[in-house]
Amino acid sequence: QKEVEQNSGPLSVPEGAIASLNCTYSDRGSQSFFWYRQYSGKSPELIMSIYSNGDKEDGRFTAQLNKASQYVSLLIRDSQPSDSATYLCAVFGAGNTPLVFGKGTRLSVIA
Amino acid sequence: NAGVTQTPKFRILKIGQSMTLQCAQDMNHNYMYWYRQDPGMGLKLIYYSVGAGITDKGEVPNGYNVSRSTTEDFPLRLELAAPSQTSVYFCASSYSNGGYTFGSGTRLTVV
Repeated sequence: QKEVEQNSGPLSVPEGAIASLNCTYSDRGSQSFFWYRQYSGKSPELIMSIYSNGDKEDGRFTAQLNKASQYVSLLIRDSQPSDSATYLCAVFGAGNTPLVFGKGTRLSVIA
Repeated sequence: NAGVTQTPKFRILKIGQSMTLQCAQDMNHNYMYWYRQDPGMGLKLIYYSVGAGITDKGEVPNGYNVSRSTTEDFPLRLELAAPSQTSVYFCASSYSNGGYTFGSGTRLTVV
């Protein structure tokens, strides 16, 4: 059974701070990694994808991947109250099997 | 470009009733998926399809059926509804290994 683990939170950070969200996965053959943002009562929205070890930056978001440690993270710089949401980590295993999602981390940015 | 369209948005069913959740996408994606999301439990895969005429079971298929007669449509059928099927249902679509686009969801209550 492929597993994706995230701390459920809530993670509370002050406005303007860096929020760090973490995710570990069990399938060492996993190839593709995604972060989704889900506002309360809404559907998940793709915000970042990463396929290679290292960092990938997009605006205030940075995804980090370490395949040796089976670890993916999402950093949100200059956090805003509008970033308050649940962040879902999702992983594609080998052979293009469907995405496996973590349970999500709830982020609260305090103004 | 509508993306992924789900209907209905809300539904209340009585125990033992049946219904079909509709999902349609206009992005010419081959892959389509049905997930359910329960509070604090993340997204669980019910069924998925890699193309018209092909469907496969996910993690929690019991009590559900699907069909995929066209690339655009992927309806989910609930037979003999049970309280355990109370959930939010999300349809999604993708290219083979890309990030998913989700529909807005169907909130189903079985009483």
